[in-house]
Amino acid sequence: AQKITQTQPGMFVQEKEAVTLDCTYDTSDQSYGLFWYKQPSSGEMIFLIYQGSYDEQNATEGRYSLNFQKARKSANLVISASQLGDSAMYFCAMRDWGNQFYFGTGTSLTVIP
Amino acid sequence: DAGITQSPRHKVTETGTPVTLRCHQTENHRYMYWYRQDPGHGLRLIHYSYGVKDTDKGEVSDGYSVSRSKTEDFLLTLESATSSQTSVYFCAIKGSSDTEAFFGQGTRLTVV
Repeated sequence: AQKITQTQPGMFVQEKEAVTLDCTYDTSDQSYGLFWYKQPSSGEMIFLIYQGSYDEQNATEGRYSLNFQKARKSANLVISASQLGDSAMYFCAMRDWGNQFYFGTGTSLTVIP
Repeated sequence: DAGITQSPRHKVTETGTPVTLRCHQTENHRYMYWYRQDPGHGLRLIHYSYGVKDTDKGEVSDGYSVSRSKTEDFLLTLESATSSQTSVYFCAIKGSSDTEAFFGQGTRLTVV
């Protein structure tokens, strides 16, 4: 069975600092995809970044980067130069070979001015 | 943006009544999903569809049914709502690329 684990229920970061949100996954699939979503207090789910299991380079999207360590089955999200607007829930997700998506329980990030 | 619309956005219903939530997409994507979001549980898959009339159960499907008679619409029905089904429900779509997965705005359902 597929499983996504986010071990940090809550995180705090100083404005302008970098922060890493942890995500580990468990799958026996060879082909899969990893996603990160942001959910602000307004409730919508905003796509941030994607990493494919065969991608050799870590994905980057602006201030977001995904630290992909395949052998360790981890896909940590790194947010650089944190901003107040980054305060939100962050969810890690995995798409398996059958196109089912599995989500972690989320990490609540608070950016401190 | 895959043009996903969920309706209604908010609903309060009484225990024992049937409720149907609608997810509508404008781009003919094949895969559609219904999730529920509860504190401490993240998002859990209720049902998903991989084509017209092709649906399958997720990990929390008890008490829910779905239908997909047209590519653009995926309906979630609570046959007889219970208080444990009070939740936020999200529809999601897998885009045409493996790198894409989009969500609707969510429906907040309260069963009293």
